[in-house]
Amino acid sequence: GAVVSQHPSWVICKSGTSVKIECRSLDFQATTMFWYRQFPKQSLMLMATSNEGSKATYEQGVEKDKFLINHASLTLSTLTVTSAHPEDSSFYICSARVSGINNEQFFGPGTRLTVL
Amino acid sequence: AQSVAQPEDQVNVAEGNPLTVKCTYSVSGNPYLFWYVQYPNRGLQFLLKYITGDNLVKGSYGFEAEFNKSQTSFHLKKPSALVSDSALYFCAVKASGTYKYIFGTGTRLKVLA
Repeated sequence: GAVVSQHPSWVICKSGTSVKIECRSLDFQATTMFWYRQFPKQSLMLMATSNEGSKATYEQGVEKDKFLINHASLTLSTLTVTSAHPEDSSFYICSARVSGINNEQFFGPGTRLTVL
Repeated sequence: AQSVAQPEDQVNVAEGNPLTVKCTYSVSGNPYLFWYVQYPNRGLQFLLKYITGDNLVKGSYGFEAEFNKSQTSFHLKKPSALVSDSALYFCAVKASGTYKYIFGTGTRLKVLA
């Protein structure tokens, strides 16, 4: 149980385009989803907390207009990287919180974004 | 401030030898502690967690970790390392009353045949 998927698993795009990444909880409802960013050989940095039906809460230093987060249902959150630039190239990982099970997070497999 | 420290960037160990990957934490309240493993270009795989109870926690793939409150540590251990254990290991903490996880910087484990 508690499986989280991400789509796509990898994406290459041109500079200036927008890219949408989906995060789905497959067998449970997730009140809260989290988006992390991981640079090569570095740790995961929390970007934002996404609550179903409300605006996301962004961590300090994360541009809200750059990284648009939508959590329209209890099983889907999307991260859109707008007007992507090469410095946005990174590994993006989402996680979903299961209410009541010690509020644990279950992680998706990640999406590798490369901006040319 | 809440934080997690993994003091070693890399740990090398010979196959068959015991391994230890260190983690210390600083958090208010009772911590929830986790270990995850990450293989190249993959997401995080859960290994084990400490929420409460027995200080020695057993997890997946023969890994275990010991919660030491006085030393604020949660070191990951395995009695006999395998080459396939070579990966990046992350320690994480969730402070009581919050949903956020704080990750350590990661330790690359290299098991030599």
